[in-house]
Amino acid sequence: AQSVSQHNHHVILSEAASLELGCNYSYGGTVNLFWYVQYPGQHLQLLLKYFSGDPLVKGIKGFEAEFIKSKFSFNLRKPSVQWSDTAEYFCAVNGRFAYNTDKLIFGTGTRLQVFP
Amino acid sequence: DAMVIQNPRYQVTQFGKPVTLSCSQTLNHNVMYWYQQKSSQAPKLLFHYYDKDFNNEADTPDNFQSRRPNTSFCFLDIRSPGLGDAAMYLCATSILGGAQYFGPGTRLTVL
Repeated sequence: AQSVSQHNHHVILSEAASLELGCNYSYGGTVNLFWYVQYPGQHLQLLLKYFSGDPLVKGIKGFEAEFIKSKFSFNLRKPSVQWSDTAEYFCAVNGRFAYNTDKLIFGTGTRLQVFP
Repeated sequence: DAMVIQNPRYQVTQFGKPVTLSCSQTLNHNVMYWYQQKSSQAPKLLFHYYDKDFNNEADTPDNFQSRRPNTSFCFLDIRSPGLGDAAMYLCATSILGGAQYFGPGTRLTVL
């Protein structure tokens, strides 16, 4: 069965620290990969996405992610976090499961807390 | 510039009293999704439409129904809400194969 694993459930950092959130997926076919962010009390927002091409993807707010096909991974990184990055981060995979359907498989999420 | 709009943002209902949540989109996307999200959990897909083709998740309770009268609108009907149905309900849209864009959600409280 298709699945997405986020190994870090809760990450606590100080401002200016570097961030790396792990994401591994299990799916044998062609995938699209996404990171979504959910700030406290707000809706899910697309942070970045990978469909094809350069495996290093840059998103909004200084985030980037690297797709490593051999490791089935799509880790999220930011060199220097800010207090405003405090949020829940979800990795998601989109694969074709039927002719006319697309479903996102979400990871369980990583809660990031950044302290000033 | 709102792209995926959900109404109402907050809904309070009584145990067993039917409720309808609505979603509209200005993106002209052909796929629309309904998710249930409980606190500190990932969104759980309930069902989705590709155009008018309805796709129900196997574990979505029969209590949940959906309608999509046209491209722009999609409704979630909860026929007899139970306490366990209290959650945030998220609507999302996409083109086939594209990223999903989420609305702000409707927070449902069941008394």
